[in-house]
Amino acid sequence: EVQLVESGGGLVQPGGSLRLSCEVAGFTVSKNDMTWVRQAPGKGLEWLSVFYIAGDTYYADSVRDRFSISRDNSKNTLHLQMNSLRAEDTAVYYCARLHYYYMDVWGRGTTVTVSS
Amino acid sequence: EIVLTQSPGTLSLSPGDRATLSCRASQTVTGSYLAWYQQTPGQAPRLLIYSTSSRANGISDRFSGSGSGRDFTLTISRLEPEDFAVYYCQQYGRSLLTFGGGTKVEIK
Repeated sequence: EVQLVESGGGLVQPGGSLRLSCEVAGFTVSKNDMTWVRQAPGKGLEWLSVFYIAGDTYYADSVRDRFSISRDNSKNTLHLQMNSLRAEDTAVYYCARLHYYYMDVWGRGTTVTVSS
Repeated sequence: EIVLTQSPGTLSLSPGDRATLSCRASQTVTGSYLAWYQQTPGQAPRLLIYSTSSRANGISDRFSGSGSGRDFTLTISRLEPEDFAVYYCQQYGRSLLTFGGGTKVEIK
């Protein structure tokens, strides 16, 4: 069964760091484009970052200098390292498979709260 | 970066009504790389339409997509109770992706 399971969310103080993980089952992360999307409370979806099969990565302007996407092929897992966190980074973070430029498989999300 | 503007923000309709949702891009969306997603409260988004007009696996034929260039439309022919949700458009261009702000379809 194809499944994505995010973890690593929680409460963090402003300026702190978190590392999110997305465990993939049912397909190989290194053979697929993968992406992170977030949704602030009561707000819409915001695309954050993509890891293409070839290894190139891209970011939204809002996180480019603070977040870093990576993958661990041995564990079939995608990661999102988040540094210098701000209150406005509070959101549910989803990972998704990018299939021909569309997100066809989504995880259930992990919640990040940035607050003192 | 291509900005997607969805309208209206909220659509108040009754079951059985036809819903027409708009998504306008700030620049031409190349290659018809335009998709639509449905999100219900507490759930992850679900892919409905890709390549402007192709339905994803298992999606009812009540859902249809159309458009080109900068203007795209999602139509729900006859609203069922489970269709009341928030809908997002999404585009791909120059290795980056963006979402529209969403349209909420609510029960009138």
